[in-house]
Amino acid sequence: KNEVEQSPQNLTAQEGEFITINCSYSVGISALHWLQQHPGGGIVSLFMLSSGKKKHGRLIATINIQEKHSSLHITASHPRDSAVYICAVIIQGAQKLVFGQGTRLTINP
Amino acid sequence: ETGVTQTPRHLVMGMTNKKSLKCEQHLGHNAMYWYKQSAKKPLELMFVYSLEERVENNSVPSRFSPECPNSSHLFLHLHTLQPEDSALYLCASSHRRGNQPQHFGDGTRLSIL
Repeated sequence: KNEVEQSPQNLTAQEGEFITINCSYSVGISALHWLQQHPGGGIVSLFMLSSGKKKHGRLIATINIQEKHSSLHITASHPRDSAVYICAVIIQGAQKLVFGQGTRLTINP
Repeated sequence: ETGVTQTPRHLVMGMTNKKSLKCEQHLGHNAMYWYKQSAKKPLELMFVYSLEERVENNSVPSRFSPECPNSSHLFLHLHTLQPEDSALYLCASSHRRGNQPQHFGDGTRLSIL
């Protein structure tokens, strides 16, 4: 079992819908990343958080350390949001990222 | 533009060839990373360099040989690869190891014939 599990693995929605992607992890962490990977392969870091909530434009990331769970929300989704969203955690004391398998999001116009 | 440039973007090679992947960062970072992304699998960390010293080797076969001549450049030398080594190879950098955001390149898509 992977130390980082994401759900769903695939998500298709209509433009304008509110999107939620979930990430659960089973180890102690010092921080959690949300990353976006477009079809060409390049990865962009969206958020790094260790507690609470962060917001950037239409994206919101939350984390609950006690429950070992994080969510990424997209409001007013748009076809350009179509990508793979990856959750990654920095394991306490290990100083390296462990990645989830990613959630493939498709937003249809 | 993330500040991390990888070349080539695509590479097709035979199992007996020798080639190198290159990564360059202009962000003033001190740590650089190689990752492998195979189809339907999570990203896997291969190597970490901090201040030009290799600080992590994640049980990677010796047919992959990294080199970090300075803090801005990272290479991955490839020789006698196997078909299962076909994957997307991603380079990343950060200010230092640990709780720092990593900036990724666009990757090199490698196909082994």
